[in-house]
Amino acid sequence: DAGVTQSPTHLIKTRGQQVTLRCSPKSGHDTVSWYQQALGQGPQFIFQYYEEEERQRGNFPDRFSGHQFPNYSSELNVNALLLGDSALYLCASSPDRRPRPQHFGDGTRLSIL
Amino acid sequence: EDKVVQSPLSLVVHEGDTVTLNCSYEVTNFRSLLWYKQEKKAPTFLFMLTSSGIEKKSGRLSSILDKKELFSILNITATQTGDSAIYLCAGGGYQKVTFGTGTKLQVIP
Repeated sequence: DAGVTQSPTHLIKTRGQQVTLRCSPKSGHDTVSWYQQALGQGPQFIFQYYEEEERQRGNFPDRFSGHQFPNYSSELNVNALLLGDSALYLCASSPDRRPRPQHFGDGTRLSIL
Repeated sequence: EDKVVQSPLSLVVHEGDTVTLNCSYEVTNFRSLLWYKQEKKAPTFLFMLTSSGIEKKSGRLSSILDKKELFSILNITATQTGDSAIYLCAGGGYQKVTFGTGTKLQVIP
């Protein structure tokens, strides 16, 4: 039973570029949440998707957007990248919208030059 | 704004010691308190607490929640080097989960 999978594992971009990160939830999970984890910090909630809709959003600018597909997989898009966007981006899935224990993927390490 | 504060920020102990990690929270529409262990990459789930005063245990780890004082602790007894990690506390609202900055635990042989 595959857990949460994320791709790519590492990514290097330059300022101003755009990036798309991908996440496949654990089997049986339909809710996907995205987090940004800067070095030495806890994960910061970006947004959550359920039934292909953004259900809740954290304090992130509109440059951060997402999508959920009918198979529950999800994408995180970041436009106009800034140096401060360098972080580990974690995807977490759970069986429904409520705060069940979320299962995390290994993340995508994004570096902005 | 929801807030979760963990203390201490870091801790160095010797194998066999007992440690207590603290977590206070202010979370809108609070539903649960979660503890995770993060080593290299993905945080791994330890406990979810929803009721005050009921201790959850898993081996040498245990945790308890005080919903009146908005506080939780995570205890680790007889620590081992494999316990070295960042321990994350998170407050779960209706849909959103807010994490603290974590406690970095280092266990020395």
